[in-house]
Amino acid sequence: DAGVIQSPRHEVTEMGQEVTLRCKPISGHDYLFWYRQTMMRGLELLIYFNNNVPIDDSGMPEDRFSAKMPNASFSTLKIQPSEPRDSAVYFCASSFGTSGTGELFFGEGSRLTVL
Amino acid sequence: QKEVEQDPGPLSVPEGAIVSLNCTYSNSAFQYFMWYRQYSRKGPELLMYTYSSGNKEDGRFTAQVDKSSKYISLFIRDSQPSDSATYLCAMSAVGRDDKIIFGKGTRLHILP
Repeated sequence: DAGVIQSPRHEVTEMGQEVTLRCKPISGHDYLFWYRQTMMRGLELLIYFNNNVPIDDSGMPEDRFSAKMPNASFSTLKIQPSEPRDSAVYFCASSFGTSGTGELFFGEGSRLTVL
Repeated sequence: QKEVEQDPGPLSVPEGAIVSLNCTYSNSAFQYFMWYRQYSRKGPELLMYTYSSGNKEDGRFTAQVDKSSKYISLFIRDSQPSDSATYLCAMSAVGRDDKIIFGKGTRLHILP
């Protein structure tokens, strides 16, 4: 398997623009997670899905952030409008059978810079 | 107090030395303890996994959990330059909302 695939790898945009990050989980995995990583706050869980259904979105910082999982092989994280403080590396991860006790498989991340 | 505390480093040690990385936590409900390794510009990958208290060894790596002190450690023996990475501790509590909580990570440099 190719692993978790994220796109784009790098995104530079201006404040106020819409940003869409994409993720393809490992085939057969039923959990999908979106994390954000910054030097100041470390790796923070934004939202996770089980069988395409959002289970916990308490980590989503504001209404400007939204995430969808229309099918088992695709998820998006959207920021609209983007702000400089959204600059971070966004990781998608997937796992099989559990959200808290199994191995998370991470993608290589999407590095977002908002000017 | 944050749920998981981890010294960000950086920690620089000579090749061949024993490395000790540590985390403390505040939530006594945590039962599953993990160490992830993250190379520069890559996603984290699972290195070690321990349930409840005790030690677990895998090659040059040993993970220790002391639940009475709410303290976990990762030891690396005979450290190699290829061990240079950021090490993140992580933990979760079964029966709670099952989220994995990560420490901020410790940057480790092994000097050849």
